[in-house]
This record gives sequence, structure tokens and C-alpha cells, in this order.
Amino acid sequence: AQSVTQLDSQVPVFEEAPVELRCNYSSSVSVYLFWYVQYPNQGLQLLLKYLSGSTLVKGINGFEAEFNKSQTSFHLRKPSVHISDTAEYFCAVTLNQAGTALIFGKGTTLSVSS
Amino acid sequence: GAVVSQHPSWVICKSGTSVKIECRSLDFQATTMFWYRQFPKQSLMLMATSNEGSKATYEQGVEKDKFLINHASLTLSTLTVTSAHPEDSSFYICSARDVLTGEAFFGQGTRLTVV
Repeated sequence: AQSVTQLDSQVPVFEEAPVELRCNYSSSVSVYLFWYVQYPNQGLQLLLKYLSGSTLVKGINGFEAEFNKSQTSFHLRKPSVHISDTAEYFCAVTLNQAGTALIFGKGTTLSVSS
Repeated sequence: GAVVSQHPSWVICKSGTSVKIECRSLDFQATTMFWYRQFPKQSLMLMATSNEGSKATYEQGVEKDKFLINHASLTLSTLTVTSAHPEDSSFYICSARDVLTGEAFFGQGTRLTVV
């Protein structure tokens, strides 16, 4: 079975500072990896995904993530955050099979202050 | 891109009544859909996998008689919360994966409040 660990439950940062949200996964087979953002009282919005190919994945809103198979990690980064990036971020893993659900990490609360 | 539509977006019901939530894949066929539940300030927990034309597969600890899932067509899955109680109040989200690309798409979610 697959699992995801988000190492930080809360990450406070100042505006315009860089940020990294950490995600490690566990799987014995190849996986797909995702990062989602959720704003208060809203659904999920896909930030980026890794399905195959280049290990550096660029997403929306200036976010990027790097798939590291040897370290089983998929950390999310942004070089300069904005107040509007304050939200809950979820890392998710699934198999390359359409009948397989995404399994989510516990989430990381990113709080950006001025 | 592919869209999953979930309805209603919010519902308030009285304790003891049943509530049905619909999940539709709008431009792709989904032989499998997934239902998640999210409590406040928590992550999404997979409740069940909905299979078109067959019985749903429930995760451990999820009461199948309370959360009835029907997947009658390749584009529609429904979740019915039967005899709802206040502890069933939660955010319910459906998802479907595109068979061709493997990508996952999520509905907008349904906030259920049982009073």
C-alpha cells in the first residue's frame, strides 16, 4: 500500500521569503504524485503533478516540486511567497492505475505574514 | 480539462433524514469514482471506491449501510448518507480518474450539516 508523510503540520513564513513544504511517500512500485491547495471552505485545487518524465515539475502560482526517487520525496517549493498563498497544502500519491484512489498526507498549513 | 461536478455544494438536514450527493464526470467516462470525507482542519480520508455496475468497496471503519453508494452509469456516482446524525456533518468530496491519462479530478465538495 502507498502512504504519504507531510513532515510539517504548520509552516509560518514572511511575505516574499522562500518556502519548502516537505512530502515523503512510501511505495514498492512506481507512483504518481500530486500537490493540492485548499483555501478555507473550498475544494481542492491542483497545483502540480508528477506522472513521468522530468523530475522537476512546475505548477501554477509559481510553485514547483522535484521528484526524488532515491529519497522518495516530492517537496514543494516557491521562491517568494505572497500573503495570498496562505492555505492548506496536501501531498497525494497514487498508482498508475485508473482504479486506484489518491492517498493524501495530513496536510501542511502555510501561513504567510507581512 | 476534464471536470467532475458535485451537487449540492452544501446541504443542511435534520437528524434522522437521508441526504443524497451526486458526482458526475462531465467529459470523460469514469468506471471508478472515489468518495472522501474531510473533517475540519484534517486531511481527506478515503471512504469508498465506487465501481460502475458493481458494489462499492468500503475502507475499513466506514459503515456501508450508512453511506450508500450507487454507480449506475459511467458518468454518475451517488453517495447517500442514511439516517444522518450530527456526527456525520463533514465535507464530502468525490473524485474520478481519467482512464486514458490517469489524472485525477475532484468535485467541488459538499458541506453537510446535520442539525
